[in-house]
Amino acid sequence: GNSVTQMEGPVTLSEEAFLTINCTYTATGYPSLFWYVQYPGEGLQLLLKATKADDKGSNKGFEATYRKETTSFHLEKGSVQVSDSAVYFCARRGGSQGNLIFGKGTKLSVKP
Amino acid sequence: DAGVIQSPRHEVTEMGQEVTLRCKPISGHDYLFWYRQTMMRGLELLIYFNNNVPIDDSGMPEDRFSAKMPNASFSTLKIQPSEPRDSAVYFCASSPGDQPQHFGDGTRLSIL
Repeated sequence: GNSVTQMEGPVTLSEEAFLTINCTYTATGYPSLFWYVQYPGEGLQLLLKATKADDKGSNKGFEATYRKETTSFHLEKGSVQVSDSAVYFCARRGGSQGNLIFGKGTKLSVKP
Repeated sequence: DAGVIQSPRHEVTEMGQEVTLRCKPISGHDYLFWYRQTMMRGLELLIYFNNNVPIDDSGMPEDRFSAKMPNASFSTLKIQPSEPRDSAVYFCASSPGDQPQHFGDGTRLSIL
């Protein structure tokens, strides 16, 4: 089964609202963790990553902290914009080098 | 720099026809991945290659699907014969070693 679990969407927020998208994982050890973003009609793009416990990944105002105690990697942004509307995927490194295991994605819609 | 290049961007064909999707990875990337994305099942890994060798094809749905990587700069995913349930967006991604994957813009496949 899928070892990355994301909160189900869609998530609808007003501009400048605070965003949290929950992500938890199951794994042996401490795999690298990632957030990818997919804008309409495009492929996935790496948003941020964390390679070890307690690391914080950040990019474009988004942040996520690798929490080994809760096996979580929640995505947060303090003030969302309409341009942040997209589908967000949490992922962890798989068992084989190079492989990633993705969550099902969470669609975010930001209204002006 | 050119990213991962997929062709065609859109394909519409009748069931029973052969479909060939193409991918050119980023130069120097030794891993190549094929994914399928649908509303119902999300993002699924079909197969991935390392140095042109298939490593894990357990995600390939059935024998109608096949993938090849004849050299480091080209890969194909073939469906023969195609069926309506194969309709999806197919993504190719590549990565250098255990670095994050870079995705192409996908091929939107519709089987009538």
